[in-house]
Amino acid sequence: GIQVEQSPPDLILQEGANSTLRCNFSDSVNNLQWFHQNPWGQLINLFYIPSGTKQNGRLSATTVATERYSLLYISSSQTTDSGVYFCAVLSGGGADGLTFGKGTHLIIQP
Amino acid sequence: NAGVTQTPKFRVLKTGQSMTLLCAQDMNHEYMYWYRQDPGMGLRLIHYSVGEGTTAKGEVPDGYNVSRLKKQNFLLGLESAAPSQTSVYFCASSEAGETQYFGPGTRLLVL
Repeated sequence: GIQVEQSPPDLILQEGANSTLRCNFSDSVNNLQWFHQNPWGQLINLFYIPSGTKQNGRLSATTVATERYSLLYISSSQTTDSGVYFCAVLSGGGADGLTFGKGTHLIIQP
Repeated sequence: NAGVTQTPKFRVLKTGQSMTLLCAQDMNHEYMYWYRQDPGMGLRLIHYSVGEGTTAKGEVPDGYNVSRLKKQNFLLGLESAAPSQTSVYFCASSEAGETQYFGPGTRLLVL
């Protein structure tokens, strides 16, 4: 099956810093989503981005499908950005579930 | 519009007991999914459904059964719980190939 690798696995930043999280995948995809899992375990949809670039406030994402990677940018980090960020992809016919990476654990220190 | 809801939020079982987790969605989505998340890992697909009355196996289906009798509900059953099934269970729904929306999760502890 498709492989999803996220980097870095852990990231500690000061409030106000910028960060870039990377997701590499091993095959072509029909769907790519970025999630934020907050400290209470809730999964929050950030982006649905199988290709192209999107922005939502301080967050933006870019997927280069031909080169099989996606990037999540977080600018002017806040402590509420802490948590685990997951990249998940859907390949094939679209019926199967998402394949998740292991996530990037982000800690924003005040 | 509640989105995806899961019942119960937390449960403790003894080895060998059975239980059913309920997932409900009010977005009229055709596709529904059950995932499990273990510590330090991403989610893994247990079973999924592409429509009412249909189910299919995912990556880790052993020890679980599912049913989709109504379009808005997707049930996950554990017939004989084992400690290895201690996990957080997430339900999701979507249209084909589109954004998957996740419920809040059910924490299950099997002693």
